Amino acid sequence: SYVLTQPPSVSVAPGKTARITCGGNNIGSKSVHWYQQKPGQAPVLVIYYDSDRPSGIPERFSGSNSGNTATLTISRVEAGDEADYYCQVWDSSSDLGVFGGGTKLTVL
Amino acid sequence: EVQLVESGGGLVQPGGSLRLSCAASGFTFSSYWMHWVRQAPGKGLVWVSRINSDGSSTSYADSVKGRFTISRDNAKNTLYLQMNSLRAEDTAVYYCAREGGIAADFDYWGQGTLVTVSS
Repeated sequence: SYVLTQPPSVSVAPGKTARITCGGNNIGSKSVHWYQQKPGQAPVLVIYYDSDRPSGIPERFSGSNSGNTATLTISRVEAGDEADYYCQVWDSSSDLGVFGGGTKLTVL
Repeated sequence: EVQLVESGGGLVQPGGSLRLSCAASGFTFSSYWMHWVRQAPGKGLVWVSRINSDGSSTSYADSVKGRFTISRDNAKNTLYLQMNSLRAEDTAVYYCAREGGIAADFDYWGQGTLVTVSS
């Protein structure tokens, strides 16, 4: 089955740029989606189709996907961005959904 | 406004059954594929199951295949998850989610319902 690998944690100072990676075999050939989840809340879609932002998501959130790595980039990080972030793809070969293990973003 | 509201969670003994519901509103339910995603306490998100818009096609994670059944009633705007032969490892918050596009992004989520499997 298809596996997505994320770093367990990323730390960043306010105002700096956070980059969260999502590794997978030839992930560049798939569409990657990213979700933000704050404690006690349901996940929220922040990036879909590698780099598109849903309405209401700040432009500070961006995404890229190439080769074996997809990346969620958060510019000018704010305290309110502290959350768990998950990448996700649909594995069409097996017709199954796949999530990465999640990355806890800490704002120092 | 799109709303997804889960219900039906609770405490069940190992080997028991439970049926979760997800009431949808604010969009044309019958036009969208729907999913169930779960999250064990303190753990990450895990995809569980998917159903197409008319209910004719389903898929399941290996961990629940043969035990869980996803279904929908488009007349009632409701998604279901029938869970049988429950195990302790099925303990989780269960979310229903709407599929936003052909690449299966989940654009709207419910608030979740907690299922606890314990004796």
